Amino acid sequence: GAGVSQSPSNKVTEKGKDVELRCDPISGHTALYWYRQSLGQGLEFLIYFQGNSAPDKSGLPSDRFSAERTGGSVSTLTIQRTQQEDSAVYLCASSLTTDYNEQFFGPGTRLTVL
Amino acid sequence: AQSVTQLGSHVSVSEGALVLLRCNYSSSVPPYLFWYVQYPNQGLQLLLKYTTGATLVKGINGFEAEFKKSETSFHLTKPSAHMSDAAEYFCAVSDRGTGNQFYFGTGTSLTVIP
Repeated sequence: GAGVSQSPSNKVTEKGKDVELRCDPISGHTALYWYRQSLGQGLEFLIYFQGNSAPDKSGLPSDRFSAERTGGSVSTLTIQRTQQEDSAVYLCASSLTTDYNEQFFGPGTRLTVL
Repeated sequence: AQSVTQLGSHVSVSEGALVLLRCNYSSSVPPYLFWYVQYPNQGLQLLLKYTTGATLVKGINGFEAEFKKSETSFHLTKPSAHMSDAAEYFCAVSDRGTGNQFYFGTGTSLTVIP
């Protein structure tokens, strides 16, 4: 596709349930990022994949959060045993390898935990 | 670790007035610098970036930013604000040679008063 896509666009779940959020990066982009944006807040870095290297998980807020990237393309962010404080917009971005290349963002998934 | 400071979480300007959004970074080695805009309920869109060369960078929608090494700044300006400029603006940096790890500021919400 032409841009980064994310699904679903909206997700409402009950506290304690697990959720999976999907990101399809731009074809050929080796770097993929997940961010969380809470209401009125900036971007909180969660995790970063670069090619075949081990991901940078330093931003994951707890062990309930995990992410994987299959075949160097599609990524899934999983939140287990969701809590109300997990409610936020989850943004995915991708970029080419080099550090002067900008990130291209998807439209985000709005997660609401009841 | 790199840090990005955006002074002023909320800025209000009158339509037609100068827009000035401030961004400072912390590293002693000049990083790559980016400004993104986020319109309501949308993902982030690149406005402009500085990688090398001329320190005054022009972006989309009439915005420009100037890299000032001595001040470790990359402030965003627009001579005349338009109602459609109302949005959230994020400054971001990427350290040279680190493989594309990005650091975002907390964002500045711009309101344009008619």
